[in-house]
Amino acid sequence: ETGVTQSPTHLIKTRGQQVTLRCSSQSGHNTVSWYQQALGQGPQFIFQYYREEENGRGNFPPRFSGLQFPNYSSELNVNALELDDSALYLCASSLGASRNTGELFFGEGSRLTVL
Amino acid sequence: LAKTTQPISMDSYEGQEVNITCSHNNIATNDYITWYQQFPSQGPRFIIQGYKTKVTNEVASLFIPADRKSSTLSLPRVSLSDTAVYYCLVGDDYGGSQGNLIFGKGTKLSVKP
Repeated sequence: ETGVTQSPTHLIKTRGQQVTLRCSSQSGHNTVSWYQQALGQGPQFIFQYYREEENGRGNFPPRFSGLQFPNYSSELNVNALELDDSALYLCASSLGASRNTGELFFGEGSRLTVL
Repeated sequence: LAKTTQPISMDSYEGQEVNITCSHNNIATNDYITWYQQFPSQGPRFIIQGYKTKVTNEVASLFIPADRKSSTLSLPRVSLSDTAVYYCLVGDDYGGSQGNLIFGKGTKLSVKP
């Protein structure tokens, strides 16, 4: 068990709506990264938060935004949902923001379906 | 961008050794190579990480040649439960900010009885 928990596990929204996904990082980890995984594809990096600041962003539009709280938990917000936003959203926590600091601990993901 | 190339799929039988090779021609000097395993509807799970030569842990070995332009994940004596997608990753930098990890499509390993 990784210790990273995500909620909700599944949700259904309609186009144009907004969604908030939540992630509790593993104890002691100060960095949270969010990934989007479409069916049959590898995870795609959305952004990373390190000590409450955005610390790198992938090729996603501004309607994808996030927060990290003092306890290092995090939220992913997506506005104006589109059909292509349907995916598994994965949160990963780690100690330190460098890509070479060892393993990422992933949660089980939140499965978003946009109708 | 430091991208990786892996075979789309591989088949094996229980008890065999499986070697999955990954190409990463543009790997940066400071980059490490990391492998993850993912089962359906679950988050990826770290397998092994290395910088050069050989790294071994309780589940796998990672072989990295001197030029570091490729790496090979070796799974000894696979079982049915090793059926999963395996991702090879190297770090990448977006506009000077801290790097993130790029996942490709991975290699789907199917282990048969």
